[in-house]
Amino acid sequence: DTEVTQTPKHLVMGMTNKKSLKCEQHMGHRAMYWYKQKAKKPPELMFVYSYEKLSINESVPSRFSPECPNSSLLNLHLHALQPEDSALYLCASSQGSPFGPGREQYFGPGTRLTVT
Amino acid sequence: QQPVQSPQAVILREGEDAVINCSSSKALYSVHWYRQKHGEAPVFLMILLKGGEQKGHEKISASFNEKKQQSSLYLTASQLSYSGTYFCGTDVISSGSARQLTFGSGTQLTVLP
Repeated sequence: DTEVTQTPKHLVMGMTNKKSLKCEQHMGHRAMYWYKQKAKKPPELMFVYSYEKLSINESVPSRFSPECPNSSLLNLHLHALQPEDSALYLCASSQGSPFGPGREQYFGPGTRLTVT
Repeated sequence: QQPVQSPQAVILREGEDAVINCSSSKALYSVHWYRQKHGEAPVFLMILLKGGEQKGHEKISASFNEKKQQSSLYLTASQLSYSGTYFCGTDVISSGSARQLTFGSGTQLTVLP
């Protein structure tokens, strides 16, 4: 099973709202990732968790707050977002450490976020 | 630094072949290939590692020239299901820092009946 699930599929939120995105995998992967993807663009890395610890933060604004409660779950907490944050948010996971060579990533279907 | 993909777009008839190229200005540990259909998640196709190891789907083939930091994805006897945007992801060799994939801008492949 190479499934990564994400909820919700769609989210519309106002600029003053607080919401959370959820990602789950049961493949035993120890690296999990958040990407942001704008239309017709490649995914852009936001955060990397390795063994439940934040390893990479690609200078993401503090209105995005990641959390990894356990090895299967990854959350992205959203607060005071801007309309330009509207995008597809993808979660991915890979086996072992993200610092080892050649770790293919398995992506979830994404959450399409619209900030009004 | 983002790898460069070419072509940006290609249109094929069913049964025709296509090649998608990816090049990097930095030395690479590995190159990854993904396909994304409209409104869906990227799907892993293949990974090519420094030293020659490869893993991926049986019907997909690719090459990795370590000296030139280039990779090519070969799509032969294309089917309608091959349509989508193809991304290469490069995993660069750098000292000390955590490694990560950087994706190219994508190649939009359309297969017509």
